[in-house]
Amino acid sequence: RKEVEQDPGPFNVPEGATVAFNCTYSNSASQSFFWYRQDCRKEPKLLMSVYSSGNEDGRFTAQLNRASQYISLLIRDSKLSDSATYLCVSEGYSSASKIIFGSGTRLSIRP
Amino acid sequence: ETGVTQSPTHLIKTRGQQVTLRCSSQSGHNTVSWYQQALGQGPQFIFQYYREEENGRGNFPPRFSGLQFPNYSSELNVNALELDDSALYLCASSLPTGGRANVLTFGAGSRLTVL
Repeated sequence: RKEVEQDPGPFNVPEGATVAFNCTYSNSASQSFFWYRQDCRKEPKLLMSVYSSGNEDGRFTAQLNRASQYISLLIRDSKLSDSATYLCVSEGYSSASKIIFGSGTRLSIRP
Repeated sequence: ETGVTQSPTHLIKTRGQQVTLRCSSQSGHNTVSWYQQALGQGPQFIFQYYREEENGRGNFPPRFSGLQFPNYSSELNVNALELDDSALYLCASSLPTGGRANVLTFGAGSRLTVL
């Protein structure tokens, strides 16, 4: 079983739709979580950090459920420019802990 | 403020050869980590350097090694290249503060093809 698992998609949704992704992690000691966005043939870029209470940034909402060991990303009013691969990341407590990426969820927004 | 720069951007090697990839961290960042990203996969953590010492390592064999220099730039060395080493190699820099987790700033990557 992978330490961080994501539905690979692709999710193909119309512009303006709401779309949600889940990501599960197996290491209960994981402390910090992030969502990164990666455009085709580009490097990953931080989308959001996800802390214990979850957080919201404009159209994007990230939540953490420690009991069930998953994090989620919700995108409201999706735009064509949201088309990308979304990577879920978990990290242990210390800087020496592994930084684990999921395989990514591909999202395609159609006009 | 300069971002993370990597070189070379593309390179082709043959099996058994050795390769060195280079990374300059973002100004002010003291921590560098390296990742291998195969096509269609997420980045896989290779190792992390902080103050010139390796302080975390993923499941990669010893033929993957690295260095960090006093100016926080870094190198990734891979010996005895294998076909499966073909991938995008990403470098990321960060500045951990107060025990908070690393927010990573990635370079554009070095795409390695092993023939």
